[in-house]
Amino acid sequence: GENVEQHPSTLSVQEGDSAVIKCTYSDSASNYFPWYKQELGKRPQLIIDIRSNVGEKKDQRIAVTLNKTAKHFSLHITETQPEDSAVYFCAASDPNFGNEKLTFGTGTRLTIIP
Amino acid sequence: DGGITQSPKYLFRKEGQNVTLSCEQNLNHDAMYWYRQDPGQGLRLIYYSQIVNDFQKGDIAEGYSVSREKKESFPLTVTSAQKNPTAFYLCASSIDRAGGETQYFGPGTRLLVL
Repeated sequence: GENVEQHPSTLSVQEGDSAVIKCTYSDSASNYFPWYKQELGKRPQLIIDIRSNVGEKKDQRIAVTLNKTAKHFSLHITETQPEDSAVYFCAASDPNFGNEKLTFGTGTRLTIIP
Repeated sequence: DGGITQSPKYLFRKEGQNVTLSCEQNLNHDAMYWYRQDPGQGLRLIYYSQIVNDFQKGDIAEGYSVSREKKESFPLTVTSAQKNPTAFYLCASSIDRAGGETQYFGPGTRLLVL
């Protein structure tokens, strides 16, 4: 099945700086890559996603890039704010299950330093 | 994601006891999923269902059982065979279309062993 690796596991950045989180996946037929944000004790919430026919997608301060050749995708947060502090998970769809099943990375704990 | 509810918020299990976690959605989604989340780990898939009266094992199905008698409901039973059940359990749902779709999560149930 699909395997997703996520780095780094923890990340601290000064408020106003940018943060980048990277994920790699194993199956070149994966076609859907969402990113979720999870605050302490809360449910994961989708913040941005990208499909395999697109190389980059942006939504205000958040962007995702996808490199299909290298099989990796990244989350970019610019002008970070204290409310960006949370755990972020990447995921990739699993082609062995019709791309309906998602395989998640192990998460990145992002801390914004005021 | 406000259309997915889970109950209870906290659940205590005695040794040897089976307990059932509830998940209901009013989003008219065909697919539903159960994940287990442990500290420092990502979301691991327990079971999923793409249609009523059908479900498949995920990566960590041992010690768990599910049913899908109604489109809106996908209860998870943690059986006495699950020796380490303490975790945060998340239910999710999505529209079942080929090509990968966003999964929306419920608020979760935290299961603790007495």
